[in-house]
Amino acid sequence: NAGVTQTPKFQVLKTGQSMTLQCAQDMNHNSMYWYRQDPGMGLRLIYYSASEGTTDKGEVPNGYNVSRLNKREFSLRLESAAPSQTSVYFCASSHAAGDTGQYFGPGTRLTVT
Amino acid sequence: QQQVKQSPQSLIVQKGGISIINCAYENTAFDYFPWYQQFPGKGPALLIAIRPDVSEKKEGRFTISFNKSAKQFSLHIMDSQPGDSATYFCAASKAGANNLFFGTGTRLTVIP
Repeated sequence: NAGVTQTPKFQVLKTGQSMTLQCAQDMNHNSMYWYRQDPGMGLRLIYYSASEGTTDKGEVPNGYNVSRLNKREFSLRLESAAPSQTSVYFCASSHAAGDTGQYFGPGTRLTVT
Repeated sequence: QQQVKQSPQSLIVQKGGISIINCAYENTAFDYFPWYQQFPGKGPALLIAIRPDVSEKKEGRFTISFNKSAKQFSLHIMDSQPGDSATYFCAASKAGANNLFFGTGTRLTVIP
C-alpha cells in the first residue's frame, strides 16, 4: 500500500509556464483534495472532489484547475504560473467527506520565478 | 480570515515535560476537530481527533481537551520526547463537509 503518491517532488517554473501536478491513491477513497501550504498560513484547500466525476472549489481556487480522472487519480493544473503560486502542494484523500481522517501525500515543492 | 486560530507559533519543551498547543474557532457549525503532525519534508498525518459531544479524548501520550462554550480546544502531549519534535496543526470542519480549515501550525521542539 503506497497510500497517496504525488509527482513530481520538486518543480521550478518560469512565470507564465503551465504544469500539471499528479496525485494517486490506492486506498479506494471516494474523496480527494488539493491543498497548498505557505509559511505562517497553514494549509488551505484549493479544490476537492467529493466523489468520482465531481469537483468543487475550496478556499483558494483562483489560478488552478483540477481533473478527477478516475477514482484513484486527481490532478491539479496551473495554466499560467505566477510567483504567488510558489508553495508546497499536498494532495489528500479520505473515505468520505467531513469527519473521517484525511491522508496526505508527501507534497510537491513548486517554485515560480 | 483565519477560521481556526492556533497558538503558540513555536514551542520548546524539555524531554519529559508537557507540551500544550491551543486552538480557537468562531464557527459554531464546526463539529469535527482533528490534529495533524507533520515532520520536515513529509505530508501531515492525522494524530487524533475529537467531536464536541465529549470534552476530552486520550490516545497514549496525546490528549485533546475540548471546551465547547469557549470554542477552544487544545492538544496536550505528556512526557514529551525528542521524537515528538514536529509541526502540529489543529483543524476544524462541519459534519459531512469537505472543507477542513487548518490553524497556522505550531513548531514543537523537544530538547533532551
